[in-house]
Amino acid sequence: AQRVTQPEKLLSVFKGAPVELKCNYSYSGSPELFWYVQYSRQRLQLLLRHISRESIKGFTADLNKGETSFHLKKPFAQEEDSAMYYCALRDWGSQGNLIFGKGTKLSVKP
Amino acid sequence: EAGVAQSPRYKIIEKRQSVAFWCNPISGHATLYWYQQILGQGPKLLIQFQNNGVVDDSQLPKDRFSAERLKGVDSTLKIQPAKLEDSAVYLCASSLGSGQAGANVLTFGAGSRLTVL
Repeated sequence: AQRVTQPEKLLSVFKGAPVELKCNYSYSGSPELFWYVQYSRQRLQLLLRHISRESIKGFTADLNKGETSFHLKKPFAQEEDSAMYYCALRDWGSQGNLIFGKGTKLSVKP
Repeated sequence: EAGVAQSPRYKIIEKRQSVAFWCNPISGHATLYWYQQILGQGPKLLIQFQNNGVVDDSQLPKDRFSAERLKGVDSTLKIQPAKLEDSAVYLCASSLGSGQAGANVLTFGAGSRLTVL
């Protein structure tokens, strides 16, 4: 079954420390993966997607098909990165809908 | 461009009552989605529309939930009668639709928070 797993509910780091938010997926086809972010009192928004191979706000994510992972990384965390982060998988077997993980709350301390 | 509009932002009802949520997607977006997000979980798709047609409603509890998008623009999600477990944030999202660059990037509304007592 298609599934997205984010093993950490909460990740707490100090400003300037590296950050890695984990995401593992289960999908029988060719995966298309996304990271969405929700800052406090704001709406859910797209952070990045693997097909773009882009860096947004210093974050990158590489699709590793061998490990079925799409971890989100940033070398130096900033306080403004504190937010909920959701990994999502596009399920082409279901009209291309997104399957979301449960999310990881990132807290960056000063 | 204007974002996805949703109302009401908050609603408190008692179990067995009914409630309706409204969504106006981004102009020109053919695809509209309703997601349910229960506290501590990620969003879960309830229903997807392509223009005014239902594409996927496999996870919609049809005994109590209904949704429509009659003119292919705005949409209404209704719950009748509500149960305690329906307490959640109901998110509406829209996208351009298939066949165009960036077509499947979802833009979300602010959500409607429902509390069922």
